[in-house]
Amino acid sequence: EAGVVQSPRYKIIEKKQPVAFWCNPISGHNTLYWYLQNLGQGPELLIRYENEEAVDDSQLPKDRFSAERLKGVDSTLKIQPAELGDSAVYLCASSLSRTAGNEQFFGPGTRLTVL
Amino acid sequence: AQSVTQLDSQVPVFEEAPVELRCNYSSSVSVYLFWYVQYPNQGLQLLLKYLSGSTLVKGINGFEAEFNKSQTSFHLRKPSVHINDTAEYFCAVSERQGGKLIFGQGTELSVKP
Repeated sequence: EAGVVQSPRYKIIEKKQPVAFWCNPISGHNTLYWYLQNLGQGPELLIRYENEEAVDDSQLPKDRFSAERLKGVDSTLKIQPAELGDSAVYLCASSLSRTAGNEQFFGPGTRLTVL
Repeated sequence: AQSVTQLDSQVPVFEEAPVELRCNYSSSVSVYLFWYVQYPNQGLQLLLKYLSGSTLVKGINGFEAEFNKSQTSFHLRKPSVHINDTAEYFCAVSERQGGKLIFGQGTELSVKP
C-alpha cells in the first residue's frame, strides 16, 4: 500500500515569491493534516481536514497561507508571498478519521528554503 | 491545553547499551500518548501509543514505554540499541476528544559503534 505522497521534496525560492505544496493521502483516509516543522522542533499543526472541510485551521496564518482539499482527497498548501521565516519542512499526514488515538501516517515532507 | 516536554535534546549512547528517552506532559484532561520516530529526510513513523489498559506499552523495533499518570510521564526505553536506531524521537499527546496531536521538541538519539 502506498504511503502519503508529497511533492516537491525540496523547494528553494526567493522571498516574496509564491509556493505550493501538494499532498496525496493514503487511499480511504478521510482526515488530512498539514504540519509545519521548524529545524530542531516537533511538528505543529497548521490545518486539519475532514473530507473536504477544514475543521481546525486556527494555527494557519491566513494572511499568507491558504489550503484546499478539493473532492476530499488530494490537498494543496500555498504560501503567497513567502517570507524568510517560512523556511521549514511542511509535513502532510492522514488518518482514517479524526478519532483521537487513530494513527496518523506522515509523508516525507517538503523542505522549503526561502532566500 | 496540553504541552509536552522532552527532557533531553540529545542522547548519545553506545551500540547494545540500554537507553531511555524521557517525556513529561501536562494536561487538564485525559489524554492519549504517542512516540514517533523520524529518520533523516523521512516523515514520522509511529513507534507505539498508549490509549488505555496496561501502562506498559510495547512498540516496533523493540521499543517500549511506560505511562505513569502520577508523574505525568511516558518515557521510552529500549534494552539494547542498534546503530540503525539513530534518529529523532518525538513524544506527542492528544486529548481523548479531538485528536489534535501536540508534539514535544524531539530527542536526537545517536548510537555509536
